[in-house]
Amino acid sequence: SQQGEEDPQALSIQEGENATMNCSYKTSINNLQWYRQNSGRGLVHLILIRSNEREKHSGRLRVTLDTSKKSSSLLITASRAADTASYFCATVLSYNTDKLIFGTGTRLQVFP
Amino acid sequence: DVKVTQSSRYLVKRTGEKVFLECVQDMDHENMFWYRQDPGLGLRLIYFSYDVKMKEKGDIPEGYSVSREKKERFSLILESASTNQTSMYLCASTSGGTGSYEQYFGPGTRLTVT
Repeated sequence: SQQGEEDPQALSIQEGENATMNCSYKTSINNLQWYRQNSGRGLVHLILIRSNEREKHSGRLRVTLDTSKKSSSLLITASRAADTASYFCATVLSYNTDKLIFGTGTRLQVFP
Repeated sequence: DVKVTQSSRYLVKRTGEKVFLECVQDMDHENMFWYRQDPGLGLRLIYFSYDVKMKEKGDIPEGYSVSREKKERFSLILESASTNQTSMYLCASTSGGTGSYEQYFGPGTRLTVT
């Protein structure tokens, strides 16, 4: 089964609202990353949070990490129609840093 | 600007054909990856390479092989395409080394096998 699982699978909101996506994982990590994918395109890296960090910000993005609960959340504030995309969390395991393990993603739809 | 390119955006092949998917990066990255992406399954790692002529199996290597003759180029080969290999294929690269985990992705190749 997947190391990372996002929740919800799909989310629809109005422009200006905040969007929160959650990611849970199973084993100890070195870091956790969030990626964005516009429809039918490649993924774009958004933010990386290391296992010894609890919160990180980048523009309108806020990521939290709770290693005791093995979970992370991505908050997009004041969302825009252009934020419509799929969002994936991905983990680098603490004992195998060669690769990323991706979750199944959250599809975000932001209506104007 | 960082760039990963893939040889085709869309590809249609027949069952049994040999298929080559090419990926080129211009960032002098050591590590390169091939994923497939299917609805509901997320991205799954097929193969990766951390150096020229080196390759490692990912989670789903069956039915695929890879080639890395030059640092900038990583090819995915479907020896005999089957319909269950219809998917979106994504290539990625990263610089490797301690602390370099962000992956840069190409635009993807949507492969249909009929």
